[in-house]
Amino acid sequence: GESVGLHLPTLSVQEGDNSIINCAYSNSASDYFIWYKQESGKGPQFIIDIRSNMDKRQGQRVTVLLNKTVKHLSLQIAATQPGDSAVYFCAENIGDNAGNMLTFGGGTRLMVKP
Amino acid sequence: EAGVVQSPRYKIIEKKQPVAFWCNPISGHNTLYWYRQNLGQGPELLIRYENEEAVDDSQLPKDRFSAERLKGVDSTLKIQPAELGDSAVYLCASSSHGTGNEKLFFGSGTQLSVL
Repeated sequence: GESVGLHLPTLSVQEGDNSIINCAYSNSASDYFIWYKQESGKGPQFIIDIRSNMDKRQGQRVTVLLNKTVKHLSLQIAATQPGDSAVYFCAENIGDNAGNMLTFGGGTRLMVKP
Repeated sequence: EAGVVQSPRYKIIEKKQPVAFWCNPISGHNTLYWYRQNLGQGPELLIRYENEEAVDDSQLPKDRFSAERLKGVDSTLKIQPAELGDSAVYLCASSSHGTGNEKLFFGSGTQLSVL
């Protein structure tokens, strides 16, 4: 079936470096995507979202890129800090008519080395 | 502003026992969701409420799981009887309208261990 997935289960980066977390999706009807950050013992925390009519969106130290041609989503974190260590999930929404039905991928663990 | 509040934070029970989780969404949020998150996986939707109406419960195992949101505000998710495979984190989330393409706000979850 169609699903959201991630290429790398664990990513280890040096403090201060940039991080890139990737996500592949296969549902061409998806038109809204969100990245969540989940720290140990906490619920997922919203980071940034993007609609399918955009290919790039920037936030504070984070950028999300959407490539609809290859159905690929990425999260870039600039100057990665120890506080960025967490599991990151991408999620997709099929569309307005279906209501708000977010489907989550399996997650990537980001480990920041001091 | 208070976020989504869930209780209890942890629950340990023996199999075949009942268990209940409680959620209070963000004030003014009409849409409430219950998700289940297994270890190392992303959350999976169990049920979605628009006010007091369950509009999507297709993933809820109805033989043992039940949920209610009687006054369209807080909600309770119940499992009776619990099985070993029910061990997971149960997350509650809320959003403003639930009409699509809006971010969800999650609580900290209830970690359930069934022994």
